[in-house]
Amino acid sequence: AQRVTQPEKLLSVFKGAPVELKCNYSYSGSPELFWYVQYSRQRLQLLLRHISRESIKGFTADLNKGETSFHLKKPFAQEEDSAMYYCALKNTDKLIFGTGTRLQVFP
Amino acid sequence: NAGVMQNPRHLVRRRGQEARLRCSPMKGHSHVYWYRQLPEEGLKFMVYLQKENIIDESGMPKERFSAEFPKEGPSILRIQQVVRGDSAAYFCASSPSPTGTGNTIYFGEGSWLTVV
Repeated sequence: AQRVTQPEKLLSVFKGAPVELKCNYSYSGSPELFWYVQYSRQRLQLLLRHISRESIKGFTADLNKGETSFHLKKPFAQEEDSAMYYCALKNTDKLIFGTGTRLQVFP
Repeated sequence: NAGVMQNPRHLVRRRGQEARLRCSPMKGHSHVYWYRQLPEEGLKFMVYLQKENIIDESGMPKERFSAEFPKEGPSILRIQQVVRGDSAAYFCASSPSPTGTGNTIYFGEGSWLTVV
């Protein structure tokens, strides 16, 4: 079954510390993966997708097919990065989301 | 482009009443998705619609919930005889086309339903 797993509900770091938000997936086929961010009571926004191999707001994510992972990383966290982060897998015509990780960045 | 518009943003209903949530997709988008976000949980897919057609409703509860996307007007998610467990944020998303890689799904700001 197609599934996205985000093992951490909450990740707390201090400003300037590195961040890694974990995401593992199960999918039979070639996956298409995304990271979405949701700031407090706002809409979900696409942060990045693996096919673009881009860096947005200092975040990067590399698809590792061997480990079936798509972890989100940032070398130096900022307070404004505090938000909910969702990993998502495209399954035919819909997105399957993980349960999300709340990132708290303390000053 | 105003983005995906949802209304109402907040809705309070008593148990047994009906809730109607509306979603206007982005201009040029003919594909609409509804997701539910329960407290402390992630987003769960509910239904995927194109104009006048339900494509995938595998995430919809079997009873009390229905969705439509008429030829004219917004998509509507309807919940009949609401219960406390229906309290959640309901997010609508739209895309121009479902096929092909790289198509992005854009989300609305959500409608928060509270059942008292």
